[in-house]
Amino acid sequence: GAGVSQSPSNKVTEKGKDVELRCDPISGHTALYWYRQRLGQGLEFLIYFQGNSAPDKSGLPSDRFSAERTGESVSTLTIQRTQQEDSAVYLCASSLGFSAFFGQGTRLTVV
Amino acid sequence: DQQVKQNSPSLSVQEGRISILNCDYTNSMFDYFLWYKKYPAEGPTFLISISSIKDKNEDGRFTVFLNKSAKHLSLHIVPSQPGDSAVYFCAAIAGGTSYGKLTFGQGTILTVHP
Repeated sequence: GAGVSQSPSNKVTEKGKDVELRCDPISGHTALYWYRQRLGQGLEFLIYFQGNSAPDKSGLPSDRFSAERTGESVSTLTIQRTQQEDSAVYLCASSLGFSAFFGQGTRLTVV
Repeated sequence: DQQVKQNSPSLSVQEGRISILNCDYTNSMFDYFLWYKKYPAEGPTFLISISSIKDKNEDGRFTVFLNKSAKHLSLHIVPSQPGDSAVYFCAAIAGGTSYGKLTFGQGTILTVHP
């Protein structure tokens, strides 16, 4: 498909385990964002990649969170030693211009 | 520091009436504004945008108004339809280029009753 693809769509993990979330952006999009939405909350910015520039990591809530992006393609968001408060929908978006296109999200549940 | 604020967490409107969703921002460097719509279990989808050089942009039933002096924008939906029921997020970009980071508000849940 031509849209932003995220995998897995759902992930249940035990507290303390590490998880990796994947995002395949739209081909050619130079910008890539990660956001999360906790239950009943708004969109919380996590990290922003733009081309070859250093990523804006100002939204990462702790050093347990990290993200990588290879060139202008796939990105992975890694959460180490998951906690129950990490439970949320993690959304990836990519952009070439002003408007960003979102994936369906990964629903992460930490039990 | 919430730079984009949607102070109404929810709005309920009768079908056929006007829905007005509001958004305030604090960063005077923001110069491009967008509205996104989100249904449950889906990612947000782009709805309409406006540049700071304009004060109004219209697309079918959707109109966005920008008041730069008040740092306020609003989304008007006329007439409202039950299918418009969703969460609406406003977002802003700074810097006048396509390389700015999108900053989102907290969202407003719109419910349109038949």
